[in-house]
Amino acid sequence: KAGVTQTPRYLIKTRGQQVTLSCSPISGHRSVSWYQQTPGQGLQFLFEYFSETQRNKGNFPGRFSGRQFSNSRSEMNVSTLELGDSALYLCASSAGPGASEQFFGPGTRLTVL
Amino acid sequence: QKEVEQNSGPLSVPEGAIASLNCTYSDRGSQSFFWYRQYSGKSPELIMSIYSNGDKEDGRFTAQLNKASQYVSLLIRDSQPSDSATYLCAVTGDDNDMRFGAGTRLTVKP
Repeated sequence: KAGVTQTPRYLIKTRGQQVTLSCSPISGHRSVSWYQQTPGQGLQFLFEYFSETQRNKGNFPGRFSGRQFSNSRSEMNVSTLELGDSALYLCASSAGPGASEQFFGPGTRLTVL
Repeated sequence: QKEVEQNSGPLSVPEGAIASLNCTYSDRGSQSFFWYRQYSGKSPELIMSIYSNGDKEDGRFTAQLNKASQYVSLLIRDSQPSDSATYLCAVTGDDNDMRFGAGTRLTVKP
């Protein structure tokens, strides 16, 4: 069974630009969660999607947004990039919302210059 | 605020010893508990899940849960240098949101 895939794996952008990251969950999984991981802040929850609906959102500004498609693939978008957005963005897949075990993808390393 | 607390470490143990990693949580309604291992530069990998009080063993790993004390731990027996990683505790509450601790960095010295 294929695992969670994320594209791209690495990304370099400049301040003010926008970026779109993609996540394909494990086949059959319908829930996708997004996290930001930085050395200083650890793993921070961005949002969770289940059946194309945003089920919950973390404490991030509106520049961070996401969506989920009917095939459960998800994208997250960050607009007007700031230096502080440099981080590892992780997507996690689970069969259902919240309490189910989550399986992480390899992440997208975003560097903002 | 619902929190998950871990000692940041680093925790250093000699090869072959037992490594003990601890986690406390503030939400008494928490239902599910997970331990993830994260190697440097890699994504977290689920190694254990536990849902009821007591011990759960899987190979060299044992998870222990005490809901009354709001405490979950992970024991690694016969620690190997390959166990050197950051271990993340994750807890889901009655709101079904998963919260992660900051992680404990473990170093196993040959």
